[in-house]
Amino acid sequence: QSALTQPASVSGSPGQSITISCTGSSADVGHYDIISWYQQHPGKAPRLIIYGVNERPSGVSDRFSGSKSGNTASLTISGLQAEDEADYHCCSYSGVRTYVVFGGGTKVTVL
Amino acid sequence: EVQLVQSGAEVKKPGESLKISCKSSGYSFSNYWVAWVRQMPGKGLECMGIIYLRDSDTRYSPSFQGQVIISVDKSISTAYLQWRSLRASDSAMYYCARGYDGGYQYFDYWGQGTLVTVSS
Repeated sequence: QSALTQPASVSGSPGQSITISCTGSSADVGHYDIISWYQQHPGKAPRLIIYGVNERPSGVSDRFSGSKSGNTASLTISGLQAEDEADYHCCSYSGVRTYVVFGGGTKVTVL
Repeated sequence: EVQLVQSGAEVKKPGESLKISCKSSGYSFSNYWVAWVRQMPGKGLECMGIIYLRDSDTRYSPSFQGQVIISVDKSISTAYLQWRSLRASDSAMYYCARGYDGGYQYFDYWGQGTLVTVSS
């Protein structure tokens, strides 16, 4: 069982917006603004798409955005495209001893 | 170009030892942390531990403490993940990943993964 809880799957039609939730606790998501999201296509390594709750690394589309409220972080994908079909993993810092914890991943399907 | 290149897939028997590698290039190796991340079949990611490449400061996530050994050889810019006695439950994909901007809270470059299969 993963430390952070994500929905197993989310789907949407091309052009729509979808939001993926990531629920942790007051020890991780709720305590630190050190939240990241990774995109993983089948058979590929994860790719950092959001860090620091809502910062995008160079080269990442501005269709990806992040937010946080209390113990829940969220990733929104706007203008959904076929290439966005992938697994998305959230991640939070969890203190000096545990370091980072991940969610179980959410499979995004573009209908 | 920053690259992390991992060693190839392994098939081992329970009780055997194993050491997999992650060779870095294209950046100042010593100024970064590298993490090892496990992904079991069909599951999410788990951070096993991190190592600071300059001084080999190594920290293990509680679930992996005592189960694996993380090390580095600075002379060849390579980090390692090692098991002394494998179990079937160690079968998974293992990734190495570089800490972003010198920290270890985010990971900006990843290796291609090493698939480890442990079966009798």
